[in-house]
Amino acid sequence: EVQLVQSAAEVKKPGESLKISCKGSGYRFTSYWIGWVRQMPGKGLEWMGIIYPGDSDTRYSPSFQGQVTISADKSMSTAYLQWSSLKASDTALYYCAGLFRGLFGGFDSWGQGTLVTVSS
Amino acid sequence: QSALTQPASVSGSPGQSITISCTGTSSDVGAYNYVSWYQQDPGKAPKLMIYEVSNRPSGVSNRFSGSKSGNTASLTISGLQAEDEADYYCNSYTNTSTLVFGTGTKVTVL
Repeated sequence: EVQLVQSAAEVKKPGESLKISCKGSGYRFTSYWIGWVRQMPGKGLEWMGIIYPGDSDTRYSPSFQGQVTISADKSMSTAYLQWSSLKASDTALYYCAGLFRGLFGGFDSWGQGTLVTVSS
Repeated sequence: QSALTQPASVSGSPGQSITISCTGTSSDVGAYNYVSWYQQDPGKAPKLMIYEVSNRPSGVSNRFSGSKSGNTASLTISGLQAEDEADYYCNSYTNTSTLVFGTGTKVTVL
């Protein structure tokens, strides 16, 4: 069974760094794209970026380029989303999701979400 | 890269059909047959309902169908049921090799 399991909720202060994770299982981790999606409180879905763990090809939404870093560790079958300096506006629910029909085939499987709260 | 435009809300009575539009540009929806649709219940992760404009993943009811004309994609729910009440989002591949979501539509079953 394909599963994407995300790290637990985080509470951070503005200016702090953070790295959240998404561990894939039940499939060949290096063969499928994984993406990150933001959902701010009461708002819609926003596509942040994707990574192909096989060769670390990474693409970002212009809205998030330079604001976050997406990476993957093949040995751990885990993708990451990180911030170097959090802002209050980064408070949101973050989902990882897998593209198991290729880059164009839609996000088939989703993690449970990681809630990030940034507050002084 | 702007979000694709969806109506904020659509409603219908049980048994009726409703259609949700998703309007993009010639750089995304109009350029590729790579539009997908997601259903999101409150407090849950989104669920893939349609991929590549009109394909249904296994397990998704055939009451859900997708289409596209020009820069606008559409999701039709026929035989509307109470369980269809949720938020729906479209998503498209773009000419910058990225993806973009729609603004989201709240479906209400009257």
